[in-house]
Amino acid sequence: DQQVKQNSPSLSVQEGRISILNCDYTNSMFDYFLWYKKYPAEGPTFLISISSIKDKNEDGRFTVFLNKSAKHLSLHIVPSQPGDSAVYFCAASSALNAGGTSYGKLTFGQGTILTVHP
Amino acid sequence: KAGVTQTPRYLIKTRGQQVTLSCSPISGHRSVSWYQQTPGQGLQFLFEYFSETQRNKGNFPGRFSGRQFSNSRSEMNVSTLELGDSALYLCASSPSTGNAKNIQYFGAGTRLSVL
Repeated sequence: DQQVKQNSPSLSVQEGRISILNCDYTNSMFDYFLWYKKYPAEGPTFLISISSIKDKNEDGRFTVFLNKSAKHLSLHIVPSQPGDSAVYFCAASSALNAGGTSYGKLTFGQGTILTVHP
Repeated sequence: KAGVTQTPRYLIKTRGQQVTLSCSPISGHRSVSWYQQTPGQGLQFLFEYFSETQRNKGNFPGRFSGRQFSNSRSEMNVSTLELGDSALYLCASSPSTGNAKNIQYFGAGTRLSVL
């Protein structure tokens, strides 16, 4: 039962263009969403997050959009840089409804490999 | 502030042995979560500790256990190792209060190979 899905295993983008990474979820109890970037042999690095009370959050080149009715979120990277090449994970939690099976638990998607070509 | 520190970084064990992994959270963080990452299953939640108490547990067998100390440092233990336990084990800490309370910050992980 995969509650968070990243349907695109990989994405290739030219430097300077926009990268759009997508994520879908099925659990309506999820109310907090995060994006992480991961290089091989390293732990995930937090990029940006969004609460379900918002539909957009921006931080520099990174913007996350949340469509609650579609249970869909996306990460936009503009402009893309070769250093952005990594695996990107979407994660979800029931932060606002914390308790019991929600404490400290992030549910991750399978990841999308982003390659930005110079 | 120092980040999340996991030791050791690499470990090789044989089937049937047991292993203990260590995690030092970011100073001031009281919540520590553990995850297992494998190519087939992705990142899977193992358990979470807060103030020395396990508050949540994922769907893993009882061979996987953990604990947290009064200084918030945490250890996880895997007994009777199986080949399928070969994975990257990740620890994450979060502040539990304030604006960043729902963000988890990860360590570099411990790569466990079971032969």
